[in-house]
Amino acid sequence: GAVVSQHPSWVICKSGTSVKIECRSLDFQATTMFWYRQFPKQSLMLMATSNEGSKATYEQGVEKDKFLINHASLTLSTLTVTSAHPEDSSFYICSARDLRETTYNEQFFGPGTRLTVL
Amino acid sequence: RKEVEQDPGPFNVPEGATVAFNCTYSNSASQSFFWYRQDCRKEPKLLMSVYSSGNEDGRFTAQLNRASQYISLLIRDSKLSDSATYLCVVTGFQKLVFGTGTRLLVSP
Repeated sequence: GAVVSQHPSWVICKSGTSVKIECRSLDFQATTMFWYRQFPKQSLMLMATSNEGSKATYEQGVEKDKFLINHASLTLSTLTVTSAHPEDSSFYICSARDLRETTYNEQFFGPGTRLTVL
Repeated sequence: RKEVEQDPGPFNVPEGATVAFNCTYSNSASQSFFWYRQDCRKEPKLLMSVYSSGNEDGRFTAQLNRASQYISLLIRDSKLSDSATYLCVVTGFQKLVFGTGTRLLVSP
């Protein structure tokens, strides 16, 4: 099956620093990648939709200047949490849609990145 | 009202039991429906799609009632390895919308 990787798998940083998370589709090309966030005991919440070669589309309430998304190639999207604060501590998960998939519903999830901001 | 609602549980059942989870969704325009499984501190993994006619995959049976905007998942002969959180997922505007999940604990 399609494989999506994320790096790093976990990160601990100081408040005020920026953290970059990478999402890669390993064996397929993805025009669209999605970034989710999951707080403890809560559902996955879509933060933004990342489109290769164009600007990301952010969900309501998600600050685009704080969560910078870059989708520079068909296999890589990055999420940068700028000036991270403790309330940004969460589980960040990306997913990717295969370019060849005609049904838009198929998404393959990365293993997630656990961010802890001290 | 949440777009996708689930009973958070936990459901504590013994091995071999049959357990059912329910889910309701608010967007009547939703086209596709899924059950995902999420283990602790892991990413969600697709368990099965849900079709109007109902579908079965081994011990798992999923059903959809569009009129009532209701989805169900039945697990027969529960195994210890079935312990996880089960997420009801529907599509809306080409996006996946996740429920908060129902936690299942299967004990020996």
